[in-house]
Amino acid sequence: GENVEQHPSTLSVQEGDSAVIKCTYSDSASNYFPWYKQELGKRPQLIIDIRSNVGEKKDQRIAVTLNKTAKHFSLHITETQPEDSAVYFCAAGNTGNQFYFGTGTSLTVIP
Amino acid sequence: ETGVTQTPRHLVMGMTNKKSLKCEQHLGHNAMYWYKQSAKKPLELMFVYNFKEQTENNSVPSRFSPECPNSSHLFLHLHTLQPEDSALYLCASIPMAPMVAKNIQYFGAGTRLSVL
Repeated sequence: GENVEQHPSTLSVQEGDSAVIKCTYSDSASNYFPWYKQELGKRPQLIIDIRSNVGEKKDQRIAVTLNKTAKHFSLHITETQPEDSAVYFCAAGNTGNQFYFGTGTSLTVIP
Repeated sequence: ETGVTQTPRHLVMGMTNKKSLKCEQHLGHNAMYWYKQSAKKPLELMFVYNFKEQTENNSVPSRFSPECPNSSHLFLHLHTLQPEDSALYLCASIPMAPMVAKNIQYFGAGTRLSVL
């Protein structure tokens, strides 16, 4: 089955700096890679996703890159703000509608 | 709000109790999921239902019993749970499975379960 690894587990950055979270996956059949943000006590919310036919996608301060050959994908947050503080999860999905999640990264943005 | 509603939001139960978690969506989605979220662990996929048919049972103990009476409702029946089953249980759904282009998951707010 699929195995998704996520690093780092915790990340602290100064407000205005960039944050990068990296994930690797093992199953070449995975073709959909969403990123979720989960604030304390709240549900995971999709913030950006990328499909296997695309190498990069950007939405304002958030971008995701995918390297299919190396089986890794990354989340980039630029100009971080305190409200970006949360736990971020990556996931890998396939056409069978199965999703496998990383262990999460707790991001703290220091004002 | 994502349109996926879970009840109750919090549940405390003893190891001999029987309780049920409920998930409901009226988004027209056809696939529904149960996940377990424990501290410092990835979301663990428990069950998947596609068009009311169970398609995934991820080696979940029999003390967890899912039920999907229709494409809008999903239940998780609990009995004789253990303290280590205490966790946040999340329901999710996706539209128009199994089309790849539509497999964005929408999560409910979860049920925080404590087993004493």
